[in-house]
Amino acid sequence: EVRLVESGGGLIQPGGSLRLSCAASEFTVSSSYMSWVRQAPGKGLEWVSIIYSDGNTYYADSVKGRFTISRDDSKNTLYLQMNNLRAEDTAVYFCARFRNLGVTQGMDVWGQGTTVTVSS
Amino acid sequence: QSALTQPASVSGSPGQSITLSCTGTSSDIGGYNYVSWYQHHPGRAPKLMIYKVNNRPSGVSNRFSGSKSGNTASLTISGLQAEDEADYYCTSYTTSSTPVLFGGGTKVTVL
Repeated sequence: EVRLVESGGGLIQPGGSLRLSCAASEFTVSSSYMSWVRQAPGKGLEWVSIIYSDGNTYYADSVKGRFTISRDDSKNTLYLQMNNLRAEDTAVYFCARFRNLGVTQGMDVWGQGTTVTVSS
Repeated sequence: QSALTQPASVSGSPGQSITLSCTGTSSDIGGYNYVSWYQHHPGRAPKLMIYKVNNRPSGVSNRFSGSKSGNTASLTISGLQAEDEADYYCTSYTTSSTPVLFGGGTKVTVL
């Protein structure tokens, strides 16, 4: 079964760092376009970052310079390194795969989400 | 990075049809046929309902259909059912500094 499983969320103090993981099954992360999307409490979905199959990366302005998306091909896993965390980063973080090896046809596989809470 | 504009809420009675709108610009919706729609029930993973304006992934009910006119995309839900009550988000490819743009979401209520 094609599947994504996130992990790594938790409670972290403002200014701290956290790394989220997203393990993929039955497809190859390195051949796919992969994204992180988050949902803050009471808010809508917000796109966070994307990594293309060629390694190019893009970020939302709200996280640029603080978050880094990456992948480990040997582990078939996607990551999101989050530094200098702020209260407004509190959210459920989803990883997702774009269908058909491109960025134009929507995200057809999603993880169940992992919760990040930034609070002192 | 302005978000795509969606109405906050839309409601309808069972069996009715409703249409959700998603307005962007010529740099995103108007310039490309790369609009997607997602259904999101709270506590669950979002689900892709429509891609490339009017294409349904395998397994998605044909009660869901998409269209586009100019800078505005639309999602129509026909024969509204209780299980359709959820939040719906549109996205578009964009030529801005980031390749993906989300709408603010529309809460669909089945009366």
